[in-house]
Amino acid sequence: DAGVIQSPRHEVTEMGQEVTLRCKPISGHNSLFWYRQTMMRGLELLIYFNNNVPIDDSGMPEDRFSAKMPNASFSTLKIQPSEPRDSAVYFCASSLGTGSQPQHFGDGTRLSIL
Amino acid sequence: GENVEQHPSTLSVQEGDSAVIKCTYSDSASNYFPWYKQELGKGPQLIIDIRSNVGEKKDQRIAVTLNKTAKHFSLHITETQPEDSAVYFCAASLSGNQFYFGTGTSLTVIP
Repeated sequence: DAGVIQSPRHEVTEMGQEVTLRCKPISGHNSLFWYRQTMMRGLELLIYFNNNVPIDDSGMPEDRFSAKMPNASFSTLKIQPSEPRDSAVYFCASSLGTGSQPQHFGDGTRLSIL
Repeated sequence: GENVEQHPSTLSVQEGDSAVIKCTYSDSASNYFPWYKQELGKGPQLIIDIRSNVGEKKDQRIAVTLNKTAKHFSLHITETQPEDSAVYFCAASLSGNQFYFGTGTSLTVIP
């Protein structure tokens, strides 16, 4: 079975540019999560969706960050404008059902902002 | 919100020895506790989980124990192998979907 698919795997761009990260959750999963991982702060939840609806975006660091889930099989995380401190690995995860269920992670996008 | 603490941050063991990683949580309402293994360049992969109505769960060389009274849970890996070397994360979840992760333990198994 296909797992969570993220693209691109690596992104290097200059400060001020728009960055779009993409995620395809596991088919049939109805919850989707965006995380950021850094050495200093570990795994941080940015936002999560349930049935394509954003439930909690309190982890989104600033207005420069936005996330959408237009349908059950696709989500984007956008940073505009990007800054060097946004450099991190961004993970998408999905889970099935409501309540406490295992989250399945993609292999992440390693983002470097120069 | 929930606060999860994880210890130790680094752990080195000889191949064949056991490894134990411990986590504590703050919210007694937490009811689901997964453990993840993260290898270099990969996303976290679920290796075992336990729910609050169970005290212990085993899967081959991996086991997890939960003490609800003390609000702590532990990962036990027996007969460690070099391929067990990775970063391990614990997490706790309340009734909703959100996970609260520990800060990770870097495990090195020395051949």
